[in-house]
Amino acid sequence: DAKTTQPPSMDCAEGRAANLPCNHSTISGNEYVYWYRQIHSQGPQYIIHGLKNNETNEMASLIITEDRKSSTLILPHATLRDTAVYYCIVRVAGGNQGGKLIFGQGTELSVKP
Amino acid sequence: ETGVTQTPRHLVMGMTNKKSLKCEQHLGHNAMYWYKQSAKKPLELMFVYSLEERVENNSVPSRFSPECPNSSHLFLHLHTLQPEDSALYLCASSLLAGGGTGELFFGEGSRLTVL
Repeated sequence: DAKTTQPPSMDCAEGRAANLPCNHSTISGNEYVYWYRQIHSQGPQYIIHGLKNNETNEMASLIITEDRKSSTLILPHATLRDTAVYYCIVRVAGGNQGGKLIFGQGTELSVKP
Repeated sequence: ETGVTQTPRHLVMGMTNKKSLKCEQHLGHNAMYWYKQSAKKPLELMFVYSLEERVENNSVPSRFSPECPNSSHLFLHLHTLQPEDSALYLCASSLLAGGGTGELFFGEGSRLTVL
């Protein structure tokens, strides 16, 4: 699975949009981009995933560049409860190994009042 | 509530003890995982079970012994652990591929302290 690069930390003001970047320049054509987050001392939580097109759900939006070498997770109106470590992961969906995910260091997002 | 329940949430054990961590999922998934998260480190994948068969064992020491008696339950048996094994142990489950998106559902974790 391709490697990802994320900034180690970011700050965001409460109520503002949080834009978390991720580089995955070696991504293959059949690899999806997944985002998870982990609030302190809890298990990681799935946020969103995509292949080529931009995706949006009730939690966030995922913008993937046309060349697929980078993506941005957008939390449109960050709240204090969004303070967490955010992981960007690329992997092949499908296969007999189910959803094996390899986590990196992630970005520690601090939402401040 | 993710549908994945881990017990106990906290465990303190001596180096000579034998204990077990339990994970149960109520999602009808067929794949289950153990991850280890040490302080200030990324999650490390330990074991993967697919349809109750172990499909991955990432060079984990034999003092960690997984067991998957059915697709809803996963155990991690612990014996003669070392202090450096103190960590948060996370269980996860997912649908098998063949239509599954690969999304993992994690439990809250079991915080293990080895004295």
